[in-house]
Amino acid sequence: GAVVSQHPSWVICKSGTSVKIECRSLDFQATTMFWYRQFPKQSLMLMATSNEGSKATYEQGVEKDKFLINHASLTLSTLTVTSAHPEDSSFYICSASIYNEQFFGPGTRLTVL
Amino acid sequence: TQLLEQSPQFLSIQEGENLTVYCNSSSVFSSLQWYRQEPGEGPVLLVTVVTGGEVKKLKRLTFQFGDARKDSSLHITAAQPGDTGLYLCAGDRGSTLGRLYFGRGTQLTVWP
Repeated sequence: GAVVSQHPSWVICKSGTSVKIECRSLDFQATTMFWYRQFPKQSLMLMATSNEGSKATYEQGVEKDKFLINHASLTLSTLTVTSAHPEDSSFYICSASIYNEQFFGPGTRLTVL
Repeated sequence: TQLLEQSPQFLSIQEGENLTVYCNSSSVFSSLQWYRQEPGEGPVLLVTVVTGGEVKKLKRLTFQFGDARKDSSLHITAAQPGDTGLYLCAGDRGSTLGRLYFGRGTQLTVWP
């Protein structure tokens, strides 16, 4: 089946630093990649949708200068949390889509001290 | 406001009991997916329903898509502790990008 990986699986950083999270589709080329944020025991909240080679589409209320998305190829998208603060601590999940079916990565736990 | 209203939000039951989780909307979906998620992991797809009135079974889990494709239910028979997890419904409205609209999730705990 389609496999999506995320790296790192967890990261702890100091307030004010930037953190990059990678999302890769390992055995297929994804037409679209999605980035979600999830708080404990809550559902997934869509942050942005990205297509290879074009600018990401951000959901209302998500700061595009804060959460930079780069979709360099059909198998790689990155999310950079710039100048991270404790309120950015969360579980970030990506998904890669092919033929309108989404396959989810294992998530990245970000803790900002 | 959520496009998909999922209920209940929390469910705590004893092993052997039956349960049903509901997802309702006033919008029509081209398909609806059910996921199960364990703590610290990504959601894992359980089933996709596409046709109005469709019923799919996965061992003790029964999934139904409403005739009008606006609602869905997940029924678990004789729940087991291994069924514990966060259950998510997500609908596809047929957009070209395949964006999913998630319900709020149902946190199920099954006690031995």
